[in-house]
Amino acid sequence: EAGVTQFPSHSVIEKGQTVTLRCDPISGHDNLYWYRRVMGKEIKFLLHFVKESKQDESGMPNNRFLAERTGGTYSTLKVQPAELEDSGVYFCASSQYDTQYFGPGTRLTVL
Amino acid sequence: DQQVKQNSPSLSVQEGRISILNCDYTNSMFDYFLWYKKYPAEGPTFLISISSIKDKNEDGRFTVFLNKSAKHLSLHIVPSQPGDSAVYFCAAMGGGSNYKLTFGKGTLLTVNP
Repeated sequence: EAGVTQFPSHSVIEKGQTVTLRCDPISGHDNLYWYRRVMGKEIKFLLHFVKESKQDESGMPNNRFLAERTGGTYSTLKVQPAELEDSGVYFCASSQYDTQYFGPGTRLTVL
Repeated sequence: DQQVKQNSPSLSVQEGRISILNCDYTNSMFDYFLWYKKYPAEGPTFLISISSIKDKNEDGRFTVFLNKSAKHLSLHIVPSQPGDSAVYFCAAMGGGSNYKLTFGKGTLLTVNP
């Protein structure tokens, strides 16, 4: 069974540009989550989808971040415009019940 | 305000010995706890979990203990192997429909041959 996949693995952009991260959850998992780890800090929750609906987006930093999950399958996280403090590793996870399975992450560097 | 704390940034043990990683939490609404292992440049890998209705869960070399009154949990690895060297994260989940994980900062475990 394929795990959670994320694309790209790395992205380097300049401040003010737009970046879109993609996550493909484990097949059949209704729950999809986005997390972020900024250097030296703990992994922090961003938002939670149940199928295509946003269940909890309390961790989204501001309105420069937009997450979508059209059709309840893969999800995208767009940052527009990117700022320096958005640099970090963005993890996606999926679950059917309590245990969340994580993807390898996308390392975003904003210069 | 950190609700999940891993107070030891690092731990070093000898191969074959026991590794004990500790985690404390402050939010009494947490009712499900997980341990993840993370290698560099990879995502966290699920190891073991425990529900608040239990005080112990065992899976092979890994055992998690939960002390609700002290709001403390620990992960025991016996025997430790060099391949166990990684960062270990403690995570907690709240009750009801709240599925978001709150993580500690992690403990770097080094198992020396």
